[in-house]
Amino acid sequence: RKEVEQDPGPFNVPEGATVAFNCTYSNSASQSFFWYRQDCRKEPKLLMSVYSSGNEDGRFTAQLNRASQYISLLIRDSKLSDSATYLCVVNQAGTALIFGKGTTLSVSS
Amino acid sequence: EAQVTQNPRYLITVTGKKLTVTCSQNMNHEYMSWYRQDPGLGLRQIYYSMNVEVTDKGDVPEGYKVSRKEKRNFPLILESPSPNQTSLYFCASSRTSGSYNEQFFGPGTRLTVL
Repeated sequence: RKEVEQDPGPFNVPEGATVAFNCTYSNSASQSFFWYRQDCRKEPKLLMSVYSSGNEDGRFTAQLNRASQYISLLIRDSKLSDSATYLCVVNQAGTALIFGKGTTLSVSS
Repeated sequence: EAQVTQNPRYLITVTGKKLTVTCSQNMNHEYMSWYRQDPGLGLRQIYYSMNVEVTDKGDVPEGYKVSRKEKRNFPLILESPSPNQTSLYFCASSRTSGSYNEQFFGPGTRLTVL
C-alpha cells in the first residue's frame, strides 16, 4: 500500500525556535518529493520541492534520504506567520500524488 | 492571473440529488485531478486526468464521475450524493504528470450532503 507517514504533531513552539518535521514513504519507486503548506482549510500551496542533494530556501531546509525513504523539513527562526499545516507529498511520475496527513505547527509570541 | 477556479465554493444538498462541481484552469496544464480532504484522513485523490479524454481512478473513486472534454475543464459529478461524501473538495492542475511538476490547487468546495 502506498503510504506517506508524518510526525503526528501538533508542534507548539515560540517565535525564533527551530523546528523539524519528518516524513517517511513506503514506495521505493517514488520519484519526486515536496512539502506543501496549508493554512486553515484553505488550498495547499507548494512550499518547496525536495531534491536528493538537499535544498534550502531562506529559513527552510529540506532533506531527502532515498535509502531510508525519509524526508525532512527544518524551519529556523520560526515566525508567527509559519503557523500552518505542513504536508509531505510524494509522487511516482504518471500516477497519483500521495499526501501525508500533515503536521500542524503553531508558533506563539 | 494564473489560477484554478472551482464552483460552487459551498454547497448544501440532499441525498440523491445529482450535482456537479466545476473546475477550470487557465494555465494550459495537461494534468488535472480531484481530491477530497477529511479530518484525520488527509487529502485523498478521487480521479485524475493526464490529458483531454484521458481519465483514471485515484484512491477513492467510488460514487464520483469525471470528464475531460476540454483541456481547461475537469468537472466532478456526483450522480447520487450520500452523506459520506460530505467533505472539502479540491481541484488541482499541473503542467504535466511528470516529476517535480508543481500542483496548483483551487480554493476548495465545501460540500454537505444531508
